[in-house]
Amino acid sequence: QVQLQESGPGLVKPSGTLSLTCAVSGGSISYIYWWSWVRQPPGKGLEWIGDVYHTGSTNYNPSLKSRVTISVDKSNNQFSLKLDSVTAADTAVYYCARWQDGYNLYYFDYWGQGTLVTVSS
Amino acid sequence: DIQMTQSPSSLSASVGDRVTITCRASQSITSYLNWYQQKPGKAPKLLIYVASRLQSGVPSRFSGSGSGTDFTLTISSLQPEDFATYYCQQSDSTPRTFGQGTKVEIK
Repeated sequence: QVQLQESGPGLVKPSGTLSLTCAVSGGSISYIYWWSWVRQPPGKGLEWIGDVYHTGSTNYNPSLKSRVTISVDKSNNQFSLKLDSVTAADTAVYYCARWQDGYNLYYFDYWGQGTLVTVSS
Repeated sequence: DIQMTQSPSSLSASVGDRVTITCRASQSITSYLNWYQQKPGKAPKLLIYVASRLQSGVPSRFSGSGSGTDFTLTISSLQPEDFATYYCQQSDSTPRTFGQGTKVEIK
């Protein structure tokens, strides 16, 4: 059973960098999946941030692309998110998730529990 | 970007009711449409993929239909554990986009 677990600071100062890591267990990150970040501001809907393949290839949401970096660490079976120049609008629960991509099947099938990141001084 | 619009934004229903939620895409996504259920404080859970395929372990009272731009999620007989927020999501292209959600509340 695949499990994902987010970790990182829960509080980030405005103009700073938000950094989160997602540890993957129960399966190798070096397989036919993309590894994604999705966020949800308090009381609002879901927003896809981007994803990374084990080769290092990435897809980013154009609305965040200038500020986002997603990377993979195969040796530790984890992947990471960095979001620069954060503002209060970046306050959200951040989820990592696995994106099934192949055989004409495309969906998020496993999710982490989510971690709340608050941007405040 | 493909915009996803759900209706209604919220609904009140009773246990045993048949519930229908609709999702419309701003352009054709053929059958590349997923449905997720989210309960408060929890991560979303995949219910339906490719418009109508039931994810393993999901009760058969959930069903999906549609193609092109118009899709439907139906709960045939609402159960207490089904009170939650439901999201559609298109998997046709990036950016991967979600509907705004439909909150199903107890009547």
